[in-house]
Amino acid sequence: QKEVEQNSGPLSVPEGAIASLNCTYSDRGSQSFFWYRQYSGKSPELIMFIYSNGDKEDGRFTAQLNKASQYVSLLIRDSQPSDSATYLCAVKNYNQGGKLIFGQGTELSVKP
Amino acid sequence: DAGVIQSPRHEVTEMGQEVTLRCKPISGHNSLFWYRQTMMRGLELLIYFNNNVPIDDSGMPEDRFSAKMPNASFSTLKIQPSEPRDSAVYFCASSSPGQGAYEQYFGPGTRLTVT
Repeated sequence: QKEVEQNSGPLSVPEGAIASLNCTYSDRGSQSFFWYRQYSGKSPELIMFIYSNGDKEDGRFTAQLNKASQYVSLLIRDSQPSDSATYLCAVKNYNQGGKLIFGQGTELSVKP
Repeated sequence: DAGVIQSPRHEVTEMGQEVTLRCKPISGHNSLFWYRQTMMRGLELLIYFNNNVPIDDSGMPEDRFSAKMPNASFSTLKIQPSEPRDSAVYFCASSSPGQGAYEQYFGPGTRLTVT
């Protein structure tokens, strides 16, 4: 079992729709959770992090965390073609130092 | 701030040659990470340093790979000898001191092709 699992996609949604990206993790000691966006040919950039159960909203983005189910998701409301990218989920366990464990990423395509 | 700087941006070399990738972290950041990204394996952590000291090198694939951080502003990742399966994009990232949900800032990456 991979430590962090994501559907590879591609996930295709029409412009203006809600895109839902999901991630599960195996280490119950994980304490912080991150969503990175990576455009083709570019480096990953952080868009959100969350460490408490529940929802965290930032503009059109909402991160959701359920530690009991070891599940974290990212919702993108009013999806735009510029949101088309690969979204990487990453988790951190402070007891294992500062390293992030990344999932394989989900490719999102927003169609005009 | 210039961000994380990596060089070279592209490297094409022949199998068996030595390859050295370079990274300059963001000033003031004391953690530095080396990642490798391929289509098959995704983004993998190779090694990371705190305060110039290697903390976890369990991701280094084999003895052909080595990394150093002689000071707070410079790190190298060396592959000797290189093999075609080492072809990938290598990212360097840095982050601020301490624990917590500190963001890792990624450099632009070095695209390595070994023929």
